[in-house]
Amino acid sequence: DAGITQSPRHKVTETGTPVTLRCHQTENHRYMYWYRQDPGHGLRLIHYSYGVKDTDKGEVSDGYSVSRSKTEDFLLTLESATSSQTSVYFCATGGSTDTQYFGPGTRLTVL
Amino acid sequence: RKEVEQDPGPFNVPEGATVAFNCTYSNSASQSFFWYRQDCRKEPKLLMSVYSSGNEDGRFTAQLNRASQYISLLIRDSKLSDSATYLCVVNKGGGSQGNLIFGKGTKLSVKP
Repeated sequence: DAGITQSPRHKVTETGTPVTLRCHQTENHRYMYWYRQDPGHGLRLIHYSYGVKDTDKGEVSDGYSVSRSKTEDFLLTLESATSSQTSVYFCATGGSTDTQYFGPGTRLTVL
Repeated sequence: RKEVEQDPGPFNVPEGATVAFNCTYSNSASQSFFWYRQDCRKEPKLLMSVYSSGNEDGRFTAQLNRASQYISLLIRDSKLSDSATYLCVVNKGGGSQGNLIFGKGTKLSVKP
């Protein structure tokens, strides 16, 4: 398994507050991804990165931004959290364009 | 047609049974196929890749039919520890920078 950690693992916040989730990897993988997983929807891609400072939008990017200033870290920011962003967030990394390894997830609740 | 479609289950089987899951995908440009396993409240973990020639890993066999755009996973001699949700995963193809499309998963429950 890739060495992938996510922080925080659990967070409760209020509507309208900014939230930043962190993904850290020790595998020197080029590709990093942020997904959200909700009942009835499966895993949906929010944003991804194909290198330092190189990012692109996924299918559910509205309300989210990302940054990758170094290979090992990929940050996901909710500029102004809404209740619809209550979800489980998974980070994934990959050294090639296909195989992805997942972090343990962050459970976010927006009240 | 949904991009990746799976029967959500649940499949309830006794220990020792053989169980098969199927998955269909809509994008004929997809080139890579996988099965992931996800335990309750845990992250998805790669179970196996799926190759055109079919591949086997112990009790698990995966098959791909490109003409029908169909993937299968066969589990023989089911164990209690096989209880999980199995995700069918397909890449977008066309140089999509590694974007994968995940099915919603098939839940398996193996009973004593």
